Amino acid sequence: AQSVTQLGSHVSVSEGALVLLRCNYSSSVPPYLFWYVQYPNQGLQLLLKYTSAATLVKGINGFEAEFKKSETSFHLTKPSAHMSDAAEYFCAVSEMNTGNQFYFGTGTSLTVIP
Amino acid sequence: EAGVTQFPSHSVIEKGQTVTLRCDPISGHDNLYWYRRVMGKEIKFLLHFVKESKQDESGMPNNRFLAERTGGTYSTLKVQPAELEDSGVYFCASSSLHGKPANYGYTFGSGTRLTVV
Repeated sequence: AQSVTQLGSHVSVSEGALVLLRCNYSSSVPPYLFWYVQYPNQGLQLLLKYTSAATLVKGINGFEAEFKKSETSFHLTKPSAHMSDAAEYFCAVSEMNTGNQFYFGTGTSLTVIP
Repeated sequence: EAGVTQFPSHSVIEKGQTVTLRCDPISGHDNLYWYRRVMGKEIKFLLHFVKESKQDESGMPNNRFLAERTGGTYSTLKVQPAELEDSGVYFCASSSLHGKPANYGYTFGSGTRLTVV
């Protein structure tokens, strides 16, 4: 069974500070891992994905995430927060070989303080 | 290209009433998915269509929910009769890739916020 844990339902950072959003997963088989972002009044937008290539994945808007198998983690980072990064972020997994659906975490709402 | 469109964006109905949500996928996308997020919880899979056929409906909560995709284009999700616990945001997504589309990510719509009072 797949499950995803996002630590911290709300995270606040100052503009220009490091953004770190945590995601841990449990999976009986190697997963594919994703981060999605939802800006206000918009749909879920794919930020980045890990599909068994490089463990450090770069996404849009300066975000990146590192797959650490030993820690079963896929934390999302951005070196310097911008006001436009304020949104809700969702970590998700799918099964590599049989996956056809995503298993999402509960989401982390990011607030950027000017 | 137009994205995934969902209608309505918001719906408030009374318990016991019927509501129908609509999703228009990206043109040509054979795969269509419905997900739901109940307040404060994770986004959960409801079902998956390939063209007009239900590929996987393991996430449908009960028989008050009926999804259709006539002609393999747009899809509707009907809740009848609605209960309080059906409140949440209903997302639709579509994908054109064959095989294992989840592995490549979908395109999601902006969701329908359903409130049952």
